[in-house]
Amino acid sequence: SQQGEEDPQALSIQEGENATMNCSYKTSINNLQWYRQNSGRGLVHLILIRSNEREKHSGRLRVTLDTSKKSSSLLITASRAADTASYFCATRTSGSARQLTFGSGTQLTVLP
Amino acid sequence: DAGVTQSPTHLIKTRGQQVTLRCSPISGHKSVSWYQQVLGQGPQFIFQYYEKEERGRGNFPDRFSARQFPNYSSELNVNALLLGDSALYLCASSLAGQNTEAFFGQGTRLTVV
Repeated sequence: SQQGEEDPQALSIQEGENATMNCSYKTSINNLQWYRQNSGRGLVHLILIRSNEREKHSGRLRVTLDTSKKSSSLLITASRAADTASYFCATRTSGSARQLTFGSGTQLTVLP
Repeated sequence: DAGVTQSPTHLIKTRGQQVTLRCSPISGHKSVSWYQQVLGQGPQFIFQYYEKEERGRGNFPDRFSARQFPNYSSELNVNALLLGDSALYLCASSLAGQNTEAFFGQGTRLTVV
């Protein structure tokens, strides 16, 4: 079953604009991670934010986490055509099982 | 450094057949996980192995099995293939610890006809 749900399902913007994607989840987590996937290939890890962190930056990426609302957002600033991909949030819960539970993804299209 | 490698990249099988998918983790990574990604959906967890022991299993039938070898590589086996098993199968490796990222391979695209 999907733990997280991304919103929106699809997003189309012009190059240079900012893109914001949201993720909601259901249970308590240890951390939340964002991944990018190009054309049904492997997933590329973007950023990991721990449950005790509220915001994290990596280059043009900014991730926020609100554990009280069980939600996270990914902001990509100054988007480029190469950012066109599917973006997934994934949560990891505490315990011995180290599985990631993925959302359904947001398809981002950046138009040149 | 080599990333996570999976083989084969593409595979076509007939209903009822059996398939074995292979994964080599990043050197030094002892944890390997398998995921199934159906078109248009996020990956779904199948198995996780650490130090050659199964540490987690997702909601998949017993037709799915896996193992991890002493060199930490892993195989995923699926018996009695169904059309619905058609998917991208992803392998991920990671270091020990809760707050570590998972590195994914490029996946094996399995088509069952």
